[in-house]
Amino acid sequence: ILNVEQSPQSLHVQEGDSTNFTCSFPSSNFYALHWYRWETAKSPEALFVMTLNGDEKKKGRISATLNTKEGYSYLYIKGSQPEDSATYLCAFSRGFQKLVFGTGTRLLVSP
Amino acid sequence: EAGVAQSPRYKIIEKRQSVAFWCNPISGHATLYWYQQILGQGPKLLIQFQNNGVVDDSQLPKDRFSAERLKGVDSTLKIQPAKLEDSAVYLCASSSAIQGRAEAFFGQGTRLTVV
Repeated sequence: ILNVEQSPQSLHVQEGDSTNFTCSFPSSNFYALHWYRWETAKSPEALFVMTLNGDEKKKGRISATLNTKEGYSYLYIKGSQPEDSATYLCAFSRGFQKLVFGTGTRLLVSP
Repeated sequence: EAGVAQSPRYKIIEKRQSVAFWCNPISGHATLYWYQQILGQGPKLLIQFQNNGVVDDSQLPKDRFSAERLKGVDSTLKIQPAKLEDSAVYLCASSSAIQGRAEAFFGQGTRLTVV
């Protein structure tokens, strides 16, 4: 059974704070690592799909890094805003197989 | 581009009753996933289709859950009979590739409450 772990489980920050989360996954037979944002009452939405060791991706104030050799990815949010409040999910793939999701990090940004 | 459509949005049933969920993926997407998300947990894959064939159903409780994908497009997920522990959000997603490098597009989910 593939185990994908995310930390912390939840996080409460003030507007303007920068924050980061961790996703840990098996380092063997890596194929892809996905990050999704899931806002309440909406559909999960893809942020990044990362495939190469050392990958760094950025979308606005959100960025992610990938270390496939040690099996972790970091998601960073710079200058958090209330609209960033959501659950952030990572998902791991070994190719031709299912996307295995972590339990998510619930972020709350207070004004 | 139309997104993934799911219905119903909410369903409340009594235990031992039956329920069915419907999903219409993005046009042209060959891969379709059904996930179950229980409160406090990450989404768990129930079944993955490639066109109308099953790729993975290893975590589908086959004694009570069934799913089909007609003509490689729409899909239905059925629970019969439902148990209290089936209370969850059921998410449908579709992707343009099977290999896991294409992002998955999700519907809004069906929130099932079994009482």
